[in-house]
Amino acid sequence: DAKTTQPNSMESNEEEPVHLPCNHSTISGTDYIHWYRQLPSQGPEYVIHGLTSNVNNRMASLAIAEDRKSSTLILHRATLRDAAVYYCILRDVFGSYIPTFGRGTSLIVHP
Amino acid sequence: DAGVIQSPRHEVTEMGQEVTLRCKPISGHDYLFWYRQTMMRGLELLIYFNNNVPIDDSGMPEDRFSAKMPNASFSTLKIQPSEPRDSAVYFCASSLRDRGSAFFGQGTRLTVV
Repeated sequence: DAKTTQPNSMESNEEEPVHLPCNHSTISGTDYIHWYRQLPSQGPEYVIHGLTSNVNNRMASLAIAEDRKSSTLILHRATLRDAAVYYCILRDVFGSYIPTFGRGTSLIVHP
Repeated sequence: DAGVIQSPRHEVTEMGQEVTLRCKPISGHDYLFWYRQTMMRGLELLIYFNNNVPIDDSGMPEDRFSAKMPNASFSTLKIQPSEPRDSAVYFCASSLRDRGSAFFGQGTRLTVV
């Protein structure tokens, strides 16, 4: 499976934008990029996914590089409730979808 | 739908005892996953089922661990006998293959003393 690389941790101030990077240099043409987050004492939850184009939903935006070797999850205005571990994973659209998680990025939000 | 439901939420047991964790997936989902999360190893996939059939159990740490899915609405993860190193949070998740995203339960925090 193609792997992803994320920083161990990032910090932000409340109400500021946050850009969480993910590198996936070995991504294949049929890999979707999925983002999950895990709030304290909860299971991971789906945030957003995309293939080539940038995507927006009520939770976040996903910016995908033109060569698809990296992507960025954007939280437009961080809140204290966004403090979580964020995971970037790849899903092969033609294969079985088995979410395999790395260590993710621990986001700290300061008031 | 109430989402993926796991029980119990917390379990404390003595070493050597049998432990059974339960999971009810979201109705209609055809994939079910069991994960274990520890500080040391992060979130590890233990086993997954497709249409109630175990597909890959290579993540199951030892023969002490077993999982079953007798029907589409119920799965169990059993540890017998339990050991202190099994202490972790165990998550169950389900998904629809063509939808992609997996939905996780709240987890079971297992403590083996």
